[in-house]
Amino acid sequence: GAGVSQSPRYKVAKRGQDVALRCDPISGHVSLFWYQQALGQGPEFLTYFQNEAQLDKSGLPSDRFFAERPEGSVSTLKIQRTQQEDSAVYLCASNREGRGNEKLFFGSGTQLSVL
Amino acid sequence: AQKVTQAQTEISVVEKEDVTLDCVYETRDTTYYLFWYKQPPSGELVFLIRRNSFDEQNEISGRYSWNFQKSTSSFNFTITASQVVDSAVYFCALSEAQGGYQKVTFGIGTKLQVIP
Repeated sequence: GAGVSQSPRYKVAKRGQDVALRCDPISGHVSLFWYQQALGQGPEFLTYFQNEAQLDKSGLPSDRFFAERPEGSVSTLKIQRTQQEDSAVYLCASNREGRGNEKLFFGSGTQLSVL
Repeated sequence: AQKVTQAQTEISVVEKEDVTLDCVYETRDTTYYLFWYKQPPSGELVFLIRRNSFDEQNEISGRYSWNFQKSTSSFNFTITASQVVDSAVYFCALSEAQGGYQKVTFGIGTKLQVIP
């Protein structure tokens, strides 16, 4: 596609519900990143995929967070048993190879509100 | 460990004023890359500029200019003759290649409001 697409744009969940956030990266981009952005903060790294392989999940805050990219394109970030502290904007970014000098292409994010 | 500090959380200027956004970084690597991104209200971070650690040349692009000083670990961003459309949150970021892929650390962001 022309850009990184994320859905839904907004998600309201009751505490304890499971949610799934989708990211459709730019076609041909090998690298895919998920970030969490709390209100008034910068994006914080969650996890990184190179094609379908999840090479780094060191930023996932707990085992309630799970991400996958089974065919090396679309990725889903799943949060189980949501808590109020999970409320944030979840940003997806992609680039061609994930090299240090590459810029990131971001989606508009999914704003998650847990009530 | 990487760290990026943006000490100014919010700045307000009147249209046509110049404004400088500060960024200070910490890294132990000799090879690294610095970025600035703009986040308008729509939410999508947009790339503005990239510098590598070996290139300290300052850069100007239209009303935007960047001052990279390795000696003070700073990468400051100046907007000349600010416009209302410049209102956004600006993030400074540090990227290193670790384990064969990039690890990017963002600052907290500086919210710029340009008042007409």
